[in-house]
Amino acid sequence: DAGVIQSPRHEVTEMGQEVTLRCKPISGHDYLFWYRQTMMRGLELLIYFNNNVPIDDSGMPEDRFSAKMPNASFSTLKIQPSEPRDSAVYFCASTSGGLRFFGPGTRLTVL
Amino acid sequence: RKEVEQDPGPFNVPEGATVAFNCTYSNSASQSFFWYRQDCRKEPKLLMSVYSSGNEDGRFTAQLNRASQYISLLIRDSKLSDSATYLCAVSSGSSNTGKLIFGQGTTLQVKP
Repeated sequence: DAGVIQSPRHEVTEMGQEVTLRCKPISGHDYLFWYRQTMMRGLELLIYFNNNVPIDDSGMPEDRFSAKMPNASFSTLKIQPSEPRDSAVYFCASTSGGLRFFGPGTRLTVL
Repeated sequence: RKEVEQDPGPFNVPEGATVAFNCTYSNSASQSFFWYRQDCRKEPKLLMSVYSSGNEDGRFTAQLNRASQYISLLIRDSKLSDSATYLCAVSSGSSNTGKLIFGQGTTLQVKP
């Protein structure tokens, strides 16, 4: 298995632009998590899904952030419009009730 | 107060030293506890779960103190390759499928 796949690995964009981060969980995993990591705030849970349904989005910072999971093998995290303070590493993770595996992350820089 | 707190360090120790990290949590209903390791510019990877009775995996020992609401990680005979950031994680549920709240991480640097 290839593990959790995220794309792009790096994204540099300008303030005000729309950013879409993508995640493919490990096949068979029915939980998917989006995390954000910064030096100041550490690793924060943004939202998680179970069987493609959002369960808890209380960590989503504001309405500019949205996440979808149209099927069991794909999820997106969208930021529109992006701001410099959104600069961070965004991790996707998945599990089926056992170990939680993280993807390699997307390093986002908003100028 | 943060839900999960760790001393960020850094802890600078010589090879062969024993080092211990603590992590405190605020939610007394927390049921599951973990230690993750994160190398520079990499994703977190599960190091070990923490069980009520304490558990050991080679040079690593994890313990849970529910009364004082903290977990600990002990590394014996530290190696250069142990240099990393160690994150504690606490789940509010009884399994690994719910919210997992991470501490800020403790940085360990093992020197020759």
